[in-house]
Amino acid sequence: EVQLVESGGGLVKPGGSLRLSCAASGVTVKNAWMSWVRQAPGKGLEWVGRIRAETEGGTTDYAAPVKGRFTISRDDSTNTLYLEMKSLKTEDTGMYFCVYRPTWGQGTLVTVSS
Amino acid sequence: DIQMTQSPSSLSASVGDRVTITCRASQGIRNELGWYQQKPGKAPKCLIYDVSSLQSGVPSRFSGSGSGTEFTLTISSLQPEDFATYYCLQHQTLWTFGQGTKVEIK
Repeated sequence: EVQLVESGGGLVKPGGSLRLSCAASGVTVKNAWMSWVRQAPGKGLEWVGRIRAETEGGTTDYAAPVKGRFTISRDDSTNTLYLEMKSLKTEDTGMYFCVYRPTWGQGTLVTVSS
Repeated sequence: DIQMTQSPSSLSASVGDRVTITCRASQGIRNELGWYQQKPGKAPKCLIYDVSSLQSGVPSRFSGSGSGTEFTLTISSLQPEDFATYYCLQHQTLWTFGQGTKVEIK
């Protein structure tokens, strides 16, 4: 059974940085296409970005609103996916989910506020 | 980018009703579409993948259909636990979610 557990969320000031983690079990992150999805309070789901399996290049793609500010990476030794977020804006506030389709983590809350 | 237009944005229905939700893609997405259910405070849960395949453990009252650019999620007989928000997701080119449909009790 695949399980994904996110952590690292919290309160950060505009312009600040945060790194989210997604600890995976039941799947080897190195061999998987994995994504991050976010949801602003009371709003719909928004795809953030993805990383391809290592066998398919391990490259990343990002949604336009986060491109150049967010970076997805993984640590094969700990089987963990990361989302590094920089130059955070108030509109980045929301719940962030790690996804290995069809499995979702429970999410971690990011609040960007002064 | 592929846009997904989901309708309606909300609906009111009674237990036992048949409910249909539609997603239209801005271009063909082959069969790379899924449907997700989300309840307040919870992560989305996959109901349907590849347009019409029922995810393991999902009741058979849920079904998906469509092709090309038009896709439908049908709940054949709405149950109390089905009141939730539903999203379509295309993954043919990157990912795009529909805007969501909130199913409320009439």
